[in-house]
Amino acid sequence: AQSVTQLGSHVSVSEGALVLLRCNYSSSVPPYLFWYVQYPNQGLQLLLKYTSAATLVKGINGFEAEFKKSETSFHLTKPSAHMSDAAEYFCAVSPTGGGNKLTFGTGTQLKVEL
Amino acid sequence: DAMVIQNPRYQVTQFGKPVTLSCSQTLNHNVMYWYQQKSSQAPKLLFHYYDKDFNNEADTPDNFQSRRPNTSFCFLDIRSPGLGDAAMYLCATSEGQEQETQYFGPGTRLLVL
Repeated sequence: AQSVTQLGSHVSVSEGALVLLRCNYSSSVPPYLFWYVQYPNQGLQLLLKYTSAATLVKGINGFEAEFKKSETSFHLTKPSAHMSDAAEYFCAVSPTGGGNKLTFGTGTQLKVEL
Repeated sequence: DAMVIQNPRYQVTQFGKPVTLSCSQTLNHNVMYWYQQKSSQAPKLLFHYYDKDFNNEADTPDNFQSRRPNTSFCFLDIRSPGLGDAAMYLCATSEGQEQETQYFGPGTRLLVL
C-alpha cells in the first residue's frame, strides 16, 4: 500500500524566511503526489501536483515542490513566507495505473511569525 | 463560479439520531468523494461514486451510507451517530478517476451530543 510521511507536525518560520515542509512517500512505483492546503474551518485547496512530467512542480501562491525519486521525497518550498501562508499543509499520494484515491499524510501546521 | 457546496457547515445531532449531510457541485464532475477528518488528523476516504457506481472503502463502518440521486448531489447518511463520529466531513469531486485533481468543499463539522 502507498503512504506518505510528513516530518514535523508543526513548523514555525519568520515572515520572509524560507518555508520547507517535508514529505516522503512509500511506493513500489513512483506515484502521483499532491500538496493541499487547509485554512481553519475550510476545505482543502490544491497547491500543486506531480504526475510524472517535470520533476520540479510550480504551484499557486509561490509554492513549488521537487520530486526526487532517489530520496522518495516531494518536499514543499516557498522562498519567502507570508503571514497568509499560515495554515495546515497535507501531502497526498494517488496510485498510478488507475484509480484516484488520495491517501493523505498527517499534515504539517505552518506558523508564520513577525 | 463552479464549486463544491456543503450544507450545513455545522451540524449538531444527538447520540444515535440519524443525520444526513449534503454535498452539491456545479462542476458537472463524474466522481464524488466523502472524507472524514477527525481533529488534528488527515482526511480519510469513506467512499466515492463514479457516476452511479458506488465504491466503499473496506474499513468504512456500516453506520455510514451514501446516496447520489443525480450528478450534482451526494448525501452522507450516518444511521446511528456515536461520539466517535464527531468530525469534519469533506466532500470532493473530480472529473474522472485517473490522477485528476480533487476539488473540495468547505466541509461540514458534525458534533454529536
